[in-house]
Amino acid sequence: GESVGLHLPTLSVQEGDNSIINCAYSNSASDYFIWYKQESGKGPQFIIDIRSNMDKRQGQRVTVLLNKTVKHLSLQIAATQPGDSAVYFCAENAAGGTSYGKLTFGQGTILTVHP
Amino acid sequence: EAQVTQNPRYLITVTGKKLTVTCSQNMNHEYMSWYRQDPGLGLRQIYYSMNVEVTDKGDVPEGYKVSRKEKRNFPLILESPSPNQTSLYFCASSLSETGHTEAFFGQGTRLTVV
Repeated sequence: GESVGLHLPTLSVQEGDNSIINCAYSNSASDYFIWYKQESGKGPQFIIDIRSNMDKRQGQRVTVLLNKTVKHLSLQIAATQPGDSAVYFCAENAAGGTSYGKLTFGQGTILTVHP
Repeated sequence: EAQVTQNPRYLITVTGKKLTVTCSQNMNHEYMSWYRQDPGLGLRQIYYSMNVEVTDKGDVPEGYKVSRKEKRNFPLILESPSPNQTSLYFCASSLSETGHTEAFFGQGTRLTVV
């Protein structure tokens, strides 16, 4: 498969456990945040998003938490399954200023789920 | 089927030989964007477009050109490719012109410049 990162943070969990993946973002003007999942040999796939006027958003088995004070984003995956094994990226987008429309990705975290 | 299509999937070329990677989306999306992905560096935005005839530089635009003459297509042009442009390239589109909605990614183009 594709090698998307040689020195990425890694998280290894057992099937059925909950996973928490963290991301620190850099631009205080960012007002939209997204989590993507990338499986080997594929393009990134949208998981969940959150806008800056919220601090929590839930999807199916996933929850995103946003802490604007410390510019931190986290993705929680409940009851992690082997099919969740992938690289996870956070991304930020700013609504204004010089970064208007620009999407910036984090370096990614490798999640490995053991049966 | 809603999708973003990139071509080619794999390309090996020589330094200095102009090439174009095509990207097409069938979702009538306003926003389109190109990224390159390199080991240890994640996804970096090259160029983006918020609408027809509107393009802006991302974080790593040097050595690349784009055009957005029609909504569905957003080709990436390398006028004079160099080995440091060897990378995995992704095109993406999203409904909102600012990119503030879910982005759909193509399958990627693996480019090798020798």
